[in-house]
Amino acid sequence: NAGVTQTPKFQVLKTGQSMTLQCAQDMNHNSMYWYRQDPGMGLRLIYYSASEGTTDKGEVPNGYNVSRLNKREFSLRLESAAPSQTSVYFCASMLGTGSFNYGYTFGSGTRLTVV
Amino acid sequence: DAKTTQPNSMESNEEEPVHLPCNHSTISGTDYIHWYRQLPSQGPEYVIHGLTSNVNNRMASLAIAEDRKSSTLILHRATLRDAAVYYCILRGYNTGNQFYFGTGTSLTVIP
Repeated sequence: NAGVTQTPKFQVLKTGQSMTLQCAQDMNHNSMYWYRQDPGMGLRLIYYSASEGTTDKGEVPNGYNVSRLNKREFSLRLESAAPSQTSVYFCASMLGTGSFNYGYTFGSGTRLTVV
Repeated sequence: DAKTTQPNSMESNEEEPVHLPCNHSTISGTDYIHWYRQLPSQGPEYVIHGLTSNVNNRMASLAIAEDRKSSTLILHRATLRDAAVYYCILRGYNTGNQFYFGTGTSLTVIP
């Protein structure tokens, strides 16, 4: 059981380049999330998808777009990367949003550097 | 946001119990208390959660105050592998589909 898989694990981009971070889960979870974590800080929510076919903004959505491709996959796209987007990006999934009893399963992260 | 307050850092000797406190004075009746930890260079992982009663699992225990305004994560016997950042998070109607992570408590385990 792989859980939540993120690719790539590391990436270096030049300012202005675009890229897509991939996330896939095999736990049949309904909800998926993208967080970023800057050095010495907690995680901040970028976007989330409560269920297949829906997406919503989180705390820091500017400069990002997302696609919930199917129930398993949730991608995060940087259209024009900026140095301020240098961070570690975590994808997470959760069984559902119908109960506050549910918790997250996180991926291992993508370390992105924009130069 | 449903706010929690945790100490920035704590230290513990190996093989001794660790009590990690969390204050959540504005907790509402429907808020669950979740604890996650993040080992170095890894994503956060679930530790334990509860609503009103104390909870135990193979990783830790969660002690919830009677008024629910505070809780304590208890690691019964700290090991070097428990060195991590521990996050106390509330989840309920006010937070909806999101978990709000603060900066957590960085636990150092001394051999």
